[in-house]
Amino acid sequence: DIQMTQSPSFLSASVGDRVTINCKASQNINKYLNWYQQKLGEAPKRLIYNTNNLQTGIPSRFSGSGSGTDYTLTISSLQPEDFATYFCLQHNSLYTFGAGTKLELK
Amino acid sequence: EVKLLESGGGLVQPGGSLRLSCAASGFTFTDFYMSWIRQPPGKAPEWLGVIRNKANGYTTEYNPSVKGRFTISRDNTQNILYLQMNTLRAEDTAIYYCGIWFAYWGQGTLVTVSS
Repeated sequence: DIQMTQSPSFLSASVGDRVTINCKASQNINKYLNWYQQKLGEAPKRLIYNTNNLQTGIPSRFSGSGSGTDYTLTISSLQPEDFATYFCLQHNSLYTFGAGTKLELK
Repeated sequence: EVKLLESGGGLVQPGGSLRLSCAASGFTFTDFYMSWIRQPPGKAPEWLGVIRNKANGYTTEYNPSVKGRFTISRDNTQNILYLQMNTLRAEDTAIYYCGIWFAYWGQGTLVTVSS
């Protein structure tokens, strides 16, 4: 089984900040990595698929990068609506979610 | 507009069974892989299983943690996805979401396993 280690678990930031969230896979996942945003009481929403492809309708301040075992979600300039929980998902070999990063207002 | 509407959740006793349904609309159901995930309160999502599309014979794949207890099926004439859950345990308590593969999910249905 592929394990996903997501960091940090919690992140405090201010509007306008640049933030990065990381996911590390236990083995090479060949860029089969998605990122999701989840707000309280809502279903997860896909932001990025296959490492760096922006989902239609998602603002360009969200971007993804990575290869091999290490992947990053970057939000270039935080907006008030971005405070939420973020998850990664590997789909190279079955599927594994990361444990999540809760992004809070500082 | 794509819509996924889960139903069938509720309170069930340990050892019991439940069947969840997911009514799909707004897209060609048979063209897509469909999935079920669940999310215990305050925790990360966990994938449960996937059922492939028509081109891939509607075959299924399951998370080993639920394989043998949970079964995914689909009614391609009525555009409904199902999740049959047997021998339920307290740790199965979660919000259950159906999805178009891992791209889009419905709003979920809560399953509580408790005596």
